[in-house]
Amino acid sequence: GQQVMQIPQYQHVQEGEDFTTYCNSSTTLSNIQWYKQRPGGHPVFLIQLVKSGEVKKQKRLTFQFGEAKKNSSLHITATQTTDVGTYFCAGGRAAGNKLTFGGGTRVLVKP
Amino acid sequence: NAGVTQTPKFQVLKTGQSMTLQCAQDMNHEYMSWYRQDPGMGLRLIHYSVGAGITDQGEVPNGYNVSRSTTEDFPLRLLSAAPSQTSVYFCASRTGGTGELFFGEGSRLTVL
Repeated sequence: GQQVMQIPQYQHVQEGEDFTTYCNSSTTLSNIQWYKQRPGGHPVFLIQLVKSGEVKKQKRLTFQFGEAKKNSSLHITATQTTDVGTYFCAGGRAAGNKLTFGGGTRVLVKP
Repeated sequence: NAGVTQTPKFQVLKTGQSMTLQCAQDMNHEYMSWYRQDPGMGLRLIHYSVGAGITDQGEVPNGYNVSRSTTEDFPLRLLSAAPSQTSVYFCASRTGGTGELFFGEGSRLTVL
């Protein structure tokens, strides 16, 4: 079945630094979504990408969908303590209604 | 708006007991789903529904039953709980097709 892998599993970042988390699918995706889950909370939708090579920005967050629609990345600039949490990517396929989540990248920020 | 409401928030069961996790949404969403979250494994789809009367299996359906008699409600039943079902369960809904999933606050289940 479809697998979605995320690396790294953990990311320790100094406040003010940049980092990137990567998402790779074993199959071609029709769309990819990103979610953020704060400690003790529930996943909250950040963004959806659907086009090959698409790049979207939300303030300090930049999301990219690969040309082959099998990978994606999330880049955060000037990390803040409010960025603490786990970031999940989730891939959708053209056929079916299933959204497959990656294992997540847990981000810890050192002030 | 209440969004997606899950009950109970916490539950402790003994092996072999049965229970139902409740999920209700007030956004008139066609699609509803149940995920379980275990450390390091992300969210895994248990069952989903694309409308009243229609359900289908996800990645990890064994040990769980669902039904969808109304658009608003999508309960998850554990018929005979096992320790392997200790997890945090999330219900999520969205409008038809693809798009943003709205999650409930989660139900933490411990099976002893």
